[in-house]
Amino acid sequence: NAGVTQTPKFQVLKTGQSMTLQCAQDMNHEYMSWYRQDPGMGLRLIHYSVGAGITDQGEVPNGYNVSRSTTEDFPLRLLSAAPSQTSVYFCASSRGAHNSPLHFGNGTRLTVT
Amino acid sequence: TQLLEQSPQFLSIQEGENLTVYCNSSSVFSSLQWYRQEPGEGPVLLVTVVTGGEVKKLKRLTFQFGDARKDSSLHITAAQPGDTGLYLCAGVAYYGGSQGNLIFGKGTKLSVKP
Repeated sequence: NAGVTQTPKFQVLKTGQSMTLQCAQDMNHEYMSWYRQDPGMGLRLIHYSVGAGITDQGEVPNGYNVSRSTTEDFPLRLLSAAPSQTSVYFCASSRGAHNSPLHFGNGTRLTVT
Repeated sequence: TQLLEQSPQFLSIQEGENLTVYCNSSSVFSSLQWYRQEPGEGPVLLVTVVTGGEVKKLKRLTFQFGDARKDSSLHITAAQPGDTGLYLCAGVAYYGGSQGNLIFGKGTKLSVKP
């Protein structure tokens, strides 16, 4: 099993450009989430989904959109990138919400210039 | 806002030394999870503690959940260079009678020198 797969691994964008970070899991997990990790800030929840067709906002949702059309995929869209979105992005999945352990991908390092 | 505070933020020790990392909050947590993250990779779950006062051992790592379920500690005995990494605690707090989302502490960056 591949677990949680994120692509791309690295990306450089110019301010105002848009892009989609891909996340796929092959564990049939209902719960998926996106975090950003910044130095000194820890992991902060951007958006999450408790199942196909259901998404909700986390702690820092502004500037990001998500959708969940299938159980396996949970893409994160940046509509108009800003330098403040320079970060490392992690996708995670788990069997259930709240207390279930998270399985993380290996991250996407995004730089916005 | 729920907060999980980890200390120390950085720790650099020699191989063979013992260390303890702390994770504290003013909120009560239904459970706490500990993760280790290595450079260029995502965090990997080490353990989940659920019951107040619970102690779990994972080889040389000992995890404890406080009696009041507001704090946790990770103790490493005879640290080895392979223990180097970022240690993160995470938990779901009770918030107005219901559970919130999983929140993470800022992490303790451990470096074990040979």
